[in-house]
Amino acid sequence: DADVTQTPRNRITKTGKRIMLECSQTKGHDRMYWYRQDPGLGLRLIYYSFDVKDINKGEISDGYSVSRQAQAKFSLSLESAIPNQTALYFCATSEASIDYNEQFFGPGTRLTVL
Amino acid sequence: RKEVEQDPGPFNVPEGATVAFNCTYSNSASQSFFWYRQDCRKEPKLLMSVYSSGNEDGRFTAQLNRASQYISLLIRDSKLSDSATYLCVVSGYPGGTSYGKLTFGQGTILTVHP
Repeated sequence: DADVTQTPRNRITKTGKRIMLECSQTKGHDRMYWYRQDPGLGLRLIYYSFDVKDINKGEISDGYSVSRQAQAKFSLSLESAIPNQTALYFCATSEASIDYNEQFFGPGTRLTVL
Repeated sequence: RKEVEQDPGPFNVPEGATVAFNCTYSNSASQSFFWYRQDCRKEPKLLMSVYSSGNEDGRFTAQLNRASQYISLLIRDSKLSDSATYLCVVSGYPGGTSYGKLTFGQGTILTVHP
């Protein structure tokens, strides 16, 4: 079984709908992240959480919200989806290490907003 | 100026060729450096960390020049299976605003052909 899982893997929705993307991990990592990837722009950080009680905005948090339900679960919500939120979304996890920051990624969710 | 910049390519090389990718970063306080590999429509995966002394892993050699804020990846004896997007990634130091977060370049596309 994969260490970092994301659901759904693909989603097509309409403008204005509320969408939730879910991420679960079995790696026991404290830190979790949400990114989006767009062609030519690389991965950009939306939100991150260093532990269950910690939530931080990334570089592109507008239009998104997150919930850290447990150490193993971190969900991303689009309250009112718009077409420019069409992208590939990745969840990632990492250890709480001072000097080593390797992140492990889930398989991604491909979201299309019509 | 982007925090991490890469030549997006694409690089098209024959099997057996040697290819080099370059990357520059703008934050002189960056602490950790990585190359990630991303296959088409898949999640990024760590290829190798990059150390000041340079490091090698089989056919792959990574170099870091802190004075020039420059990172490189050299692939020798290219294989068809090396075809992917290579992402240059940096992370900040403890106490800094980018600590624990990864900043990605937009990626360099490599295609190795027979």
